[in-house]
Amino acid sequence: QVQLVQSGADMKKPGASVNVSCTASGYVFTTYYIHWVRQAPGQGFQWMGIINPGGGSTSYGQSFQDRITLTRDTSTSTVHMELRNLRSDDTAVYYCVRSFGDYPFNWFDPWGQGTLVTVSS
Amino acid sequence: EIVLTQSPGPLSLSPGERVTVSCRASQSLRDNNLAWYQQKPGQAPRLLIYGASSRATGIPDRFSGSGSGTDFTLTISSLEPEDFAVYFCQQYSFSPLTFGRGTKVEIK
Repeated sequence: QVQLVQSGADMKKPGASVNVSCTASGYVFTTYYIHWVRQAPGQGFQWMGIINPGGGSTSYGQSFQDRITLTRDTSTSTVHMELRNLRSDDTAVYYCVRSFGDYPFNWFDPWGQGTLVTVSS
Repeated sequence: EIVLTQSPGPLSLSPGERVTVSCRASQSLRDNNLAWYQQKPGQAPRLLIYGASSRATGIPDRFSGSGSGTDFTLTISSLEPEDFAVYFCQQYSFSPLTFGRGTKVEIK
């Protein structure tokens, strides 16, 4: 079945960078856009960015523009999310999600299982 | 950016009761591009409804969505024990994609 499997929880100090990976299976990796969203404790979801696994093009949310990089590895069907210069308010569960169909902005299905990133000194 | 406002706040209900959750957008959503998700503690969200009213694969027909423009509704016709969860909406008409804050449905 279609599945997104993320890397495990991570803990970082303020100012550090974190890398979260998302490995896709059950479909042709290059034909569906992947987004990243996050959910801070007690908060709603926040959209972070999108990558086209086919060509590698990306677009980022304004709040993350200068701190996030999305890349993909087609040989392993994996998308990587790097977030730099971490702050305590980056503590959140990070999700990769697939955009339904071949349109970049659509509903999300499926979701990865989520990766808790804790930023603390 | 589009703001999605959900109401009501947390609901305490009994199995068998009907639930209605509202999601209001700050601008009209093109093509009714609104989805609903269910999230249980410690789990990833699950897609329930897309295009405002289309049920996702495998979703029971007690879940329904309606609305257009700026006002949308998720209805659960008769709560089952497994339906106690948080429900939230998402718009995908405009970038950045945005989400409602969620409505918690808990057992009374």
